Amino acid sequence: SQQGEEDPQALSIQEGENATMNCSYKTSINNLQWYRQNSGRGLVHLILIRSNEREKHSGRLRVTLDTSKKSSSLLITASRAADTASYFCATDSNAGGTSYGKLTFGQGTILTVHP
Amino acid sequence: EPEVTQTPSHQVTQMGQEVILRCVPISNHLYFYWYRQILGQKVEFLVSFYNNEISEKSEIFDDQFSVERPDGSNFTLKIRSTKLEDSAMYFCASRAGGAGNTIYFGEGSWLTVV
Repeated sequence: SQQGEEDPQALSIQEGENATMNCSYKTSINNLQWYRQNSGRGLVHLILIRSNEREKHSGRLRVTLDTSKKSSSLLITASRAADTASYFCATDSNAGGTSYGKLTFGQGTILTVHP
Repeated sequence: EPEVTQTPSHQVTQMGQEVILRCVPISNHLYFYWYRQILGQKVEFLVSFYNNEISEKSEIFDDQFSVERPDGSNFTLKIRSTKLEDSAMYFCASRAGGAGNTIYFGEGSWLTVV
């Protein structure tokens, strides 16, 4: 798989349920960022988790990072119809010890929350 | 909340024409980026810019592309002679400084080359 691959590719749930999306990557990273994109719109930053962190929370969002498995997960609790969007993980990797913010994005997970 | 703004939101251009996409990054940010997303595909890195010069560029960013920060607020992407395959959403992004800081993206500019 390529750097920053999410699964599942598509997820369909009912309002109120939790949604879990996973991301795997191949190279070492400085940090991993999750973004949301509504159809045809810009990328909205959700959470940044650094390589020395294991878990972060922001409202209904919980992100975990397992650097030994090179994987991350995004959990959205108590989902709402308005959470319907594509979700991307993006890795920021070291480049000669200096990161220039060159993010590598995955293909994304399309989340549909039915009211 | 401060945001990255981009213009135009959508541009249609003839193949071979020059296009300039404009961006106003978040003020006090030091690092600037352009990314693109071809319809249905991944978001791809094009170029990063710091201290008035290109820090890194991808294979996509060939001689047809250039970036400029003409003043203290604008950051532009120029495509000299557009091709059909340049049709994509182009995102500008900026970051405050240092590795490990959030990268904020604009709403994007849809470029359609016909």
